[in-house]
Amino acid sequence: DIQMTQSPSSLSASVGDRVTITCRASQSIDRYLNWYQQKPGKAPKLLIYAASSLQGGVPSRFSGSGSGTDFTLTINSLQPEDFATYYCQQSYNTPPWTFGQGTKVEIK
Amino acid sequence: EVQLVESGGGLVQPGGSLRLSCAASGFTFTQSAMSWLRQAPGKGLEWVSYISGSGATLYADSVKGRFSISRDNSKNTLYLQMNSPRAEDTAVYFCANNDILTGFEYWGQGVLVTVSS
Repeated sequence: DIQMTQSPSSLSASVGDRVTITCRASQSIDRYLNWYQQKPGKAPKLLIYAASSLQGGVPSRFSGSGSGTDFTLTINSLQPEDFATYYCQQSYNTPPWTFGQGTKVEIK
Repeated sequence: EVQLVESGGGLVQPGGSLRLSCAASGFTFTQSAMSWLRQAPGKGLEWVSYISGSGATLYADSVKGRFSISRDNSKNTLYLQMNSPRAEDTAVYFCANNDILTGFEYWGQGVLVTVSS
């Protein structure tokens, strides 16, 4: 199975900060990498698919980059509604499709 | 508007059975691959099972042989039959549409399954 490792596991940031979350795959997954945001008690929400494509309706302060094994989610100018947990997920080839362990973004 | 609404969760005894349902609307269900995913309390996300539009199925090793995914395209409904559940199957279960390129684009609100005697 492909293992996905996110870092950091948590971070504290202030409104207006730029935040970067990284995700590393245990083998090359081309650009089959998606990012989700989850708030407590809610279902995950797709933010970025295919490593860098912004899902419809998602603010442009969210961006993704990377290919192969190393990927990044960047949030420019963090807003109050962005405090949540973020997950990367690989959709390469056949299942199991696996997720990173999550990165909790908290208010400093 | 796309809607996925899960139902059927609750308390089930170890070794019992439970069937989850996911009613879909707002998109072409018959052409859409679907998956069940879950999230144990305080834990991360785990993919559980997949079914293609034509009915081909795949399972995570952790549920293979115990859970069964199916769909009724006439009712726009996805199912997960959970047989012989274990305590470690306790989780919120989500249904989601499934695309290789876009991942899991739409999700239901989730339904809690608690396996306990």
